This record gives sequence, C-alpha cells and structure tokens, in this order.
Amino acid sequence: QKEVEQDPGPLSVPEGAIVSLNCTYSNSAFQYFMWYRQYSRKGPELLMYTYSSGNKEDGRFTAQVDKSSKYISLFIRDSQPSDSATYLCAMKAGTYKYIFGTGTRLKVLA
Amino acid sequence: DSGVTQTPKHLITATGQRVTLRCSPRSGDLSVYWYQQSLDQGLQFLIQYYNGEERAKGNILERFSAQQFPDLHSELNLSSLELGDSALYFCASSPFGTVNEQYFGPGTRLTVT
Repeated sequence: QKEVEQDPGPLSVPEGAIVSLNCTYSNSAFQYFMWYRQYSRKGPELLMYTYSSGNKEDGRFTAQVDKSSKYISLFIRDSQPSDSATYLCAMKAGTYKYIFGTGTRLKVLA
Repeated sequence: DSGVTQTPKHLITATGQRVTLRCSPRSGDLSVYWYQQSLDQGLQFLIQYYNGEERAKGNILERFSAQQFPDLHSELNLSSLELGDSALYFCASSPFGTVNEQYFGPGTRLTVT
C-alpha cells in the first residue's frame, strides 16, 4: 500500500462547478499537508499548505485536513478552464522528506 | 516563472551512459531538492541539500549522486543509465526558515534509449 493515495482521474467538470480533489494517507506522523498544481510540461507550483487538521482558504481554493480519517481535500470554487491541470497532494514526514500523491488530472470544460 | 532554472531541458542518451543535470535555485534559497517524476511512480523525492550539505535522502539509487556547490547551484549525476531511468527530473528550492514552500524548476526530461 502506498503511503499516499490519490485518484488519478481524469476528472471533467463544467466551468463554474465546485471541484473536490482528495487524498488519503496511511502515516499518522504526517503533519504538514500541501497541494500543488502542475500544468502540462511544467514544474509543480505550490497552491496551499496546512498544518494539522482544519481548513484553510485562499481565494477560490480551500484546503481541508481531517487527521482522524487520514483524509485531505482541496476544493476549487467557480472552476475555470485555466484550472485544468494535474493536482498533486504532498505530505511531510519528519523535517525534510516529502511524499507526493500521483496526482489527479482535472479538466474544466468551457 | 518560479526563479529556479534547470538545464538541459531535454536529454536523450543510451543505456550505460552517464549524464549530469544542473539546477540553479532561486536567489537567496539555500535548500535544493531533487525529484524524479515518472508516469507510474509519480513524484519521488530523491535528495535534499542545504547550503552545500546533504540533509535528507529519499528513494535515490546508488547509481545516482548529487552535490551542491558553494554558489548554491546543484548537480544530479546519473550513471549506468537504464531504460527505467527515463523520467522528468525536477529541482526545487526553498527559502531559509521555511520547509513547506518549495519552488520547482521546469524540469529536465531524460530519455534513455
């Protein structure tokens, strides 16, 4: 079993929809949780990071962490075609080691 | 543009060969991370350097090595290349005092034939 599981998609939604992207994990030691966006042929770009359980909002993006269920989510409100990308969750074990999910491909249809 | 540069963009080489990938971090960033991204494995952490010193190792093969130089640029050396080493290799850097913000370069696409 992988430490971090992420549905690869693709996930197709109409423009304006609310998108929910999720990851599950098995290591209860993870404390920092991050979401990255990766456009085709580009490097990942950090969207948000959260510490421990709770919600964090930044514009149209909300990150949610439920440590009791070992489940994290990224919500995108009013999705736009420009949001079409692969979204990677990442978690930090220890001080320096990052574990990434395999990414979910999102397509927002105009 | 993240401010992290990587060269070359593409590299095609044969099995058994050795290649060097280069990374320049963002101005002022002391930490450099190397990652391998393949279709089936996703983004795998390889190794991290901080101000010239190795700080953490991930799933890095013994055939691979890295170093960070006094000017803070880093090189990832891949030797005795195998077909399975074909992947995207990313470098990321992070500012001093933060461990959650990583800025990724555009990557080097390595194809081993």
